[in-house]
Amino acid sequence: DAMVIQNPRYQVTQFGKPVTLSCSQTLNHNVMYWYQQKSSQAPKLLFHYYDKDFNNEADTPDNFQSRRPNTSFCFLDIRSPGLGDAAMYLCATSRAGQVREQYFGPGTRLTVT
Amino acid sequence: QQQVKQSPQSLIVQKGGISIINCAYENTAFDYFPWYQQFPGKGPALLIAIRPDVSEKKEGRFTISFNKSAKQFSLHIMDSQPGDSATYFCAASYSGNTPLVFGKGTRLSVIA
Repeated sequence: DAMVIQNPRYQVTQFGKPVTLSCSQTLNHNVMYWYQQKSSQAPKLLFHYYDKDFNNEADTPDNFQSRRPNTSFCFLDIRSPGLGDAAMYLCATSRAGQVREQYFGPGTRLTVT
Repeated sequence: QQQVKQSPQSLIVQKGGISIINCAYENTAFDYFPWYQQFPGKGPALLIAIRPDVSEKKEGRFTISFNKSAKQFSLHIMDSQPGDSATYFCAASYSGNTPLVFGKGTRLSVIA
């Protein structure tokens, strides 16, 4: 089945220790998104790629970076995680021209100790 | 202008009843209004969506009602079941490569 895959599902990191979350997709969608979702809140868009064109949200902290080496993969790098970065991180994809129909992965729950 | 206001924050409905969740928006440029369903520990899943050229869209037990003049849209879940217990998010966007704007979510509990 075509899908959006996130690894790992659960990640524990230490305060200040860099961490990378990964997302892959078999949908061959042009657009990939990273969202942060804290408990009982809506997903908050961090950035998105339209093909290789990177779009950063204005209020995304500099601590968060992203890489998209090819169509299928996208990575979220948190350079120096703080306690406030503990959250669910969601990857989503959509087709060019139908960017509103987003397909979400299952998420990675990040714990910062 | 970019906000989507969603209510109620939480909702408890008896099995077999109708669940109604409401959203309101300000930006008249919005032209796509989806609803997402999210179960605990899972990513949101697209449930149903509507565009402003229709006033209602139905898929099974799920119906979106859209009121363009009032800038409001709502999700109705008929014959609500315990398996419908989840968090529901409304969202909106406008044409182009603009991202979705999400409401704050409604936690629905359907009790037997």
